[in-house]
Amino acid sequence: AQSVSQHNHHVILSEAASLELGCNYSYGGTVNLFWYVQYPGQHLQLLLKYFSGDPLVKGIKGFEAEFIKSKFSFNLRKPSVQWSDTAEYFCAVKVGGATNKLIFGTGTLLAVQP
Amino acid sequence: GAGVSQSPSNKVTEKGKDVELRCDPISGHTALYWYRQRLGQGLEFLIYFQGNSAPDKSGLPSDRFSAERTGESVSTLTIQRTQQEDSAVYLCASSLSTQYFGPGTRLTVL
Repeated sequence: AQSVSQHNHHVILSEAASLELGCNYSYGGTVNLFWYVQYPGQHLQLLLKYFSGDPLVKGIKGFEAEFIKSKFSFNLRKPSVQWSDTAEYFCAVKVGGATNKLIFGTGTLLAVQP
Repeated sequence: GAGVSQSPSNKVTEKGKDVELRCDPISGHTALYWYRQRLGQGLEFLIYFQGNSAPDKSGLPSDRFSAERTGESVSTLTIQRTQQEDSAVYLCASSLSTQYFGPGTRLTVL
């Protein structure tokens, strides 16, 4: 069965540090890839997505992610985090087929210390 | 409305009671999804509606769970004879291509 792994469950960084959150998926076919973010007290929001084309995708708030097909990875990066980036981050994969359901990782809780 | 809305935002119920959760999708979105998020876990797919097609119910954990959608509008998720393991946040999403999520309903079964 398809699955998504987020290896970092809890990350603590100081402001201005660089961020990289890992995401790996298990599926050999065509995929669409997403990062969602959930800020404290808010609902899940789309951060960025990859459907096709340039594997380096830029999203909101200075985030980017790189799709590396050979590694089945879609890691999220930000060169300099801010306190306001404190949130939970979810990687998700949509595989081919009729349903278009998303398969989510278990999430990474990021705490940025001022 | 501008986004997906869900009601109630919180629901506390006693074991064995039935509950009904509501989702109002973004207007014009043909697809609607229900997910469940248990504490400390990722989102778990429950059911998917696309237009007038038969729904994909493959994620429903038991026959106590059911969902309906009227056309391309409101959807309700019903859990019968609730159990403590049903406690979770139930999220609804709607889409044309990218899924946009509602705020969720936090269900607590005592």
